[in-house]
Amino acid sequence: GENVEQHPSTLSVQEGDSAVIKCTYSDSASNYFPWYKQELGKGPQLIIDIRSNVGEKKDQRIAVTLNKTAKHFSLHITETQPEDSAVYFCAASPKGSGNTGKLIFGQGTTLQVKP
Amino acid sequence: EAQVTQNPRYLITVTGKKLTVTCSQNMNHEYMSWYRQDPGLGLRQIYYSMNVEVTDKGDVPEGYKVSRKEKRNFPLILESPSPNQTSLYFCASGRQGAGAFFGQGTRLTVV
Repeated sequence: GENVEQHPSTLSVQEGDSAVIKCTYSDSASNYFPWYKQELGKGPQLIIDIRSNVGEKKDQRIAVTLNKTAKHFSLHITETQPEDSAVYFCAASPKGSGNTGKLIFGQGTTLQVKP
Repeated sequence: EAQVTQNPRYLITVTGKKLTVTCSQNMNHEYMSWYRQDPGLGLRQIYYSMNVEVTDKGDVPEGYKVSRKEKRNFPLILESPSPNQTSLYFCASGRQGAGAFFGQGTRLTVV
């Protein structure tokens, strides 16, 4: 079945710097890739997603890129702020099971933005 | 306010005592799902439902049951809880073609 690997597990950056989190997936038929942000004591919140027919998507300071050939996708956060500190999860929807059906999550990245 | 509501938020129970965690969404979403979150393992899907009376197993369904009799509700049932089911549980809902909304979580401890 699908497997999603996420790196790094922890990331510390200075405020204003960029942060990049990378994920690889195993099932070439996966077609939907969301990213979630989880703050302490809260449930994950969808921040951006990308479908397999698109190579890049951007929303203000956040962007996601997808390389279908290499089977990896990345989250890019520019001009980081202390409120970006959280745990970030990538996910993949395998075998065309629908954009929100079966989801396989990465292990998570704890991002710390130092003021 | 659009939301996914889980109850209870915290629960301590004993091994073997049946329990139900409720989940309700007010967004008329077709899709609902349950996840468990454990340190170092991320989020793992237990069950999901694409519509009323349609449920499918996720990656870790053993020891759990679900039902989807109404569109808005998707309860998680532990018939005979065991200590290895101690975890943080999340319910989520969404529409086809859109991302999932998560509830606030239920922290379950089985002693």
